[in-house]
Amino acid sequence: QVQLQLWGAGLLKPSETLSLTCGVFGGSFRGYYWSWIRQPPGKGLEWIGEIYHTGSTTYNPSLKSRVTISVDTSKKQFSLKLSSVTAADTALYYCARGFLPAGTWTKHFDYWGQGSLVTVSS
Amino acid sequence: QSVLTQPPSASGTPGQRVTISCSGSSSNIGSNTVTWYQQLPGTAPKLLIYNDNQRPSGVPDRFSGSKSGTSASLAISGLQSEDEADYYCAVWDDSLNGQVFGTGTKVTVL
Repeated sequence: QVQLQLWGAGLLKPSETLSLTCGVFGGSFRGYYWSWIRQPPGKGLEWIGEIYHTGSTTYNPSLKSRVTISVDTSKKQFSLKLSSVTAADTALYYCARGFLPAGTWTKHFDYWGQGSLVTVSS
Repeated sequence: QSVLTQPPSASGTPGQRVTISCSGSSSNIGSNTVTWYQQLPGTAPKLLIYNDNQRPSGVPDRFSGSKSGTSASLAISGLQSEDEADYYCAVWDDSLNGQVFGTGTKVTVL
């Protein structure tokens, strides 16, 4: 059974850098798009970006200038850094495993981490 | 503001059929497959439908997905109290070169 577990700082001040790491337990690390998704309190889901096991990344254009996603395949971990945070970045952050079926570009996220609340406040 | 539009709410009584729409465009739903997620209160989203109409193992056949042109739909037949949740559609957008989620629909069982 695949499990994703994430950790990182939960309280940040404006202008600081958000840093989260997601560990993958069970299952293969190769062949999947490891993704970050966030959800502001009471609002909908927003895709942040993804990294393939090779290190290839794709980011949400609206966040691209501030986002870095990296991977450590030896540890089966991937990480998110979001710079220059503001109150608008306050959200529940999820990591998820994305699978890409043949014939489409839509990944489906079949395993999710538990979510980590990150609050940005002065 | 999402490029995928869903009704904010939907409701039905136990046993009824409820349908949720997801409206997009030629750069997303019109050219890629649609995925649906169910998010129960206080939990992470759960994969419900992928490839427009495929159910992962363990998802009841009461849930079904369909797509026509630039719109997709999720149908819940035989509505049950445990179906009360938020539902999101998702698809890859070729213009944005990224995954996008719908605005979400809250389903209430009356």
